[in-house]
Amino acid sequence: SQKIEQNSEALNIQEGKTATLTCNYTNYSPAYLQWYRQDPGRGPVFLLLIRENEKEKRKERLKVTFDTTLKQSLFHITASQPADSATYLCALDKRGYSTLTFGKGTMLLVSP
Amino acid sequence: DSGVTQTPKHLITATGQRVTLRCSPRSGDLSVYWYQQSLDQGLQFLIQYYNGEERAKGNILERFSAQQFPDLHSELNLSSLELGDSALYFCASSVGQGRPTNEKLFFGSGTQLSVL
Repeated sequence: SQKIEQNSEALNIQEGKTATLTCNYTNYSPAYLQWYRQDPGRGPVFLLLIRENEKEKRKERLKVTFDTTLKQSLFHITASQPADSATYLCALDKRGYSTLTFGKGTMLLVSP
Repeated sequence: DSGVTQTPKHLITATGQRVTLRCSPRSGDLSVYWYQQSLDQGLQFLIQYYNGEERAKGNILERFSAQQFPDLHSELNLSSLELGDSALYFCASSVGQGRPTNEKLFFGSGTQLSVL
């Protein structure tokens, strides 16, 4: 069956360090992968999109990698800040369909 | 502010009842998506409309239905409510058809439904 797996345990890091979140998937062949941020009680907010033929994408302190062989995406936040504390969701398309399927997300806690 | 408006923010109702959730997409967006989020299931896709027509269907129960009106706002109708329907319901919009899914989604703040 198709699965998108994100670490269910919260990731606790210190301010200034790099946070790395993982998204693994099975039985998908996504053409695109997206990352969203969700704060408690709020809707997800789009962060980055990466295509299957792109290895890496950057936006300010954010970096996403996409390895279609390993079926994995890594999401990095460098120089993390307490304001980065949130739940981060990865989302994949189902090739040929118009819908995004989301992982359950990983909570990131950045302590001062 | 994403530009997507959802009402009401909170809804408390009893089992067996019917409710309607409303969504206004961002100006210019033609696609509307409905998602359900619960603690154990995560964000689950329910249904998508594009320019008034149903485009894709996910894990939407038969007791649930949706539509998109000519002014592009959408409503999600939930009937014969059960305790397990308690969840956060999100509406999202995007510019095009979302096919392929290289479009980002803009989410509203959600409607928290509590079925007692």
